[in-house]
Parts: sequence; structure tokens; C-alpha cells
Amino acid sequence: EDKVVQSPLSLVVHEGDTVTLNCSYEVTNFRSLLWYKQEKKAPTFLFMLTSSGIEKKSGRLSSILDKKELFSILNITATQTGDSAVYLCAVVFYNNNDMRFGAGTRLTVKP
Amino acid sequence: DTGVSQDPRHKITKRGQNVTFRCDPISEHNRLYWYRQTLGQGPEFLTYFQNEAQLEKSRLLSDRFSAERPKGSFSTLEIQRTEQGDSAMYLCASSLAETRQETQYFGPGTRLLVL
Repeated sequence: EDKVVQSPLSLVVHEGDTVTLNCSYEVTNFRSLLWYKQEKKAPTFLFMLTSSGIEKKSGRLSSILDKKELFSILNITATQTGDSAVYLCAVVFYNNNDMRFGAGTRLTVKP
Repeated sequence: DTGVSQDPRHKITKRGQNVTFRCDPISEHNRLYWYRQTLGQGPEFLTYFQNEAQLEKSRLLSDRFSAERPKGSFSTLEIQRTEQGDSAMYLCASSLAETRQETQYFGPGTRLLVL
């Protein structure tokens, strides 16, 4: 059975801290892994990762994929209260582009 | 075009009633996906279309659920004889299949509450 597991499920930090969110997967027909940020509404796209070892960066956020060990991490440096959200990772299947999401990591950044 | 839109944003209905949701994808996108998200969980795939063809349906999509995309543009998701367990956020996403790095962009969702 295909699985996408995120850890931790929730995390509370203070502004300025650095956090690392984890996503591990066991799927067939892997195509890519996506990270989304979900606040009160729909998920917004952050990164798409298809190749191992290539870091994607956007401001204070970065992410990397390890296709050998089947995981990805999302790093957020110098966290701000606006980073508070649920961070979802999803694996995209090659044959139909169906996505299987993890349960998400709820990040709370306190002032 | 500002992105994927969904209507209504909220729907409260009584058990046993039928409901219909609409999704308008990003205009040049040829793929359209429906997901359901319950509290504390990631979205779960329901079905997807490439143009007007419905190519895959999840086992989550019981006989009470039907989706259409008649002209390959907007899509509707209908739930017949709603049950309390249908209460969830229904998300629509769209993508452009021809791009090498296909990314799905989500609409704001329709939150359904079945009383």
C-alpha cells in the first residue's frame, strides 16, 4: 500500500528558530514530490522535487529530496509568525498524476 | 485569470439532500482534479479529468458521487443523498499536462456540512 508519512505531526517554535519538517514515502510509480503550505484555506504550492540531492530554495524555505532513502525535508530558517500553517507533502504518481498526501505537519510560530 | 475558483465556498445541507459544487480551473489547464479533505488529514484524491474525459475514480467515490466536465472547462461534483460522513472540504485543482513539471494548483475549496 502506498504511504506518505510526515513528521512531526505538530511543532511549536519561537520566531527566529529554524525548523525541519520530514516527509517519507513508500509508493510505486513515483514521479515527483510536492510541498504545499495550507493556512485556513486551500494548499498553496511551495516546491516540486523530482531529482535527488538538488536543493530548491525560495527565500527562507528550502527543500531537498533523497530518492534512495525515500524522504524529503523542508527547512524554514528564521521563522516568522506568518509561517504558522500546516505543511503538506504529496507524492505524484507517474501514470496518472494522482497525488497521495501526508497528514501534514502543523507548525505554530510564537512571537 | 487569477487561479482556480470554486463555488459555493460553504454549503450547509440536511442529510438526504443533493448538493452540487462547481470548479473553474485555470483557463489553459487541461487537467482537473477533485479531492476531499477532512479535519486533520491531507487531501484525498477523488477523481480527475483530462479535458472532458474522466480518467480515474478513487474507491472513495461511491455511487452517490458523480463528477462531470462536459466541455473540458469547468467541472461539477454532485453528491446525492448526502450523509453526515460527507462533511468535509472539497478541493479542486488544475494542471497543464503537457508541461514536464506538472504542478497542481488548488482552488479555495467548498466546505460542506451535512446536518
